[in-house]
Parts: sequence; structure tokens; C-alpha cells
Amino acid sequence: KQEVTQIPAALSVPEGENLVLNCSFTDSAIYNLQWFRQDPGKGLTSLLLIQSSQREQTSGRLNASLDKSSGRSTLYIAASQPGDSATYLCALYTGTASKLTFGTGTRLQVTL
Amino acid sequence: GAVVSQHPSWVICKSGTSVKIECRSLDFQATTMFWYRQFPKQSLMLMATSNEGSKATYEQGVEKDKFLINHASLTLSTLTVTSAHPEDSSFYICSAHRDATNTEAFFGQGTRLTVV
Repeated sequence: KQEVTQIPAALSVPEGENLVLNCSFTDSAIYNLQWFRQDPGKGLTSLLLIQSSQREQTSGRLNASLDKSSGRSTLYIAASQPGDSATYLCALYTGTASKLTFGTGTRLQVTL
Repeated sequence: GAVVSQHPSWVICKSGTSVKIECRSLDFQATTMFWYRQFPKQSLMLMATSNEGSKATYEQGVEKDKFLINHASLTLSTLTVTSAHPEDSSFYICSAHRDATNTEAFFGQGTRLTVV
């Protein structure tokens, strides 16, 4: 059974700092990997999707990488802002049914 | 990105009653939608896969008679929590994909269910 772990579980950083969120998974036989953010009491907003054949994706201040052989993905946030405060979730597609297995999440707080 | 709309965003109901939650894909057709459940400070757990025109596929441990899923059209799936109990209180969220391959998932806003 696929297990997805995100470290750290919670993180507090001052505004402007660059940071890295980690996602590790036990079964490297995955298809795509997707990063989401979730604001308290809200749904999920898709941030980046890394296709199976790709190693990274970039969108604005966000960069996500995927290393299937080592079972790891990282989300890099540059020049963090208070508006980045949210819970960040990684999720894996592990079959053709498009089911997602979610990580445990990292709760980020960016302070002024 | 694609838009998935979920309604209602929150609902409070009495124990023993049933509650229906709707999930709509607004600008694309979705033959498959997914229903997740999220307990406070926990991640999302897949409950079931909703298939247009056929029966839903439930994950292990999810009671199909308690969580009724109907996917009657290519843009609408509904989740009905029957005979709700306080332990059913949770955040329910749906997702849809544009096609059957492993492309980007789009999520609804979620529904906060509180059973009193």
C-alpha cells in the first residue's frame, strides 16, 4: 500500500524566506504527482502537476521536482509571502483509475 | 483551469436525517468523479469513485448503503449521507478530471457537514 509522508508537518517562516516542502512515498511505481494548497475550511487549489515523464514544473514563485527512483518530491517556494500561509498537500496518481493518494500535509505560516 | 462546483458549502442536520451534496463540473464533462472525506487536521481519504451511468466503486471500509452516490449525468454527481450520525460530521470534497487518463484533478470547494 502506498504511503505518502510530508515533512515537516508544520512550518513557520518570516516573510521573504525561501523554503522547501518535502513529500516522500513508498512505492515508486507512480504516474503523475500533484501539489495542492488548502486554506482553512476550503477546498483544494491545484498548484503544479508533474507528469510521469517530467522531473519538475515551475509556476511563478513555485517549483516542484519529482524523483521517482528515490520516492521524493519537493515543492520550493521562493520569497514567501503571508498569503502563502496554508496547508500544502502532495498527491500521487498510482493507477489508471486516476485515484489520488494524499500526503499528510504541511501547514505553513508565513509571518510579517 | 477547470471549474468544479460543490453545493452546499456547509450544512447542519439532525441525527437520523439524510443530506445530499452535489458536485458539478461547470465547463467540462466528467465521466468519473471522486468523493473524499477529510477529518480535522488530517489529510483527504478517498471514499468512492463515481462513474457516470453505472454504480459507484467504494473504497474498503466505506459503507455503500450509508453513502449513496449517483452520477446521472456527465456534469453532476451527488453524495447522499443517509441516516446521518454525529460521527459522520466531516468535510466532504469531490474532484473531477477532464478525461480518463491521469491528468490534472480539479476539486470542489468542499462541504462541511455537522450532524447534531
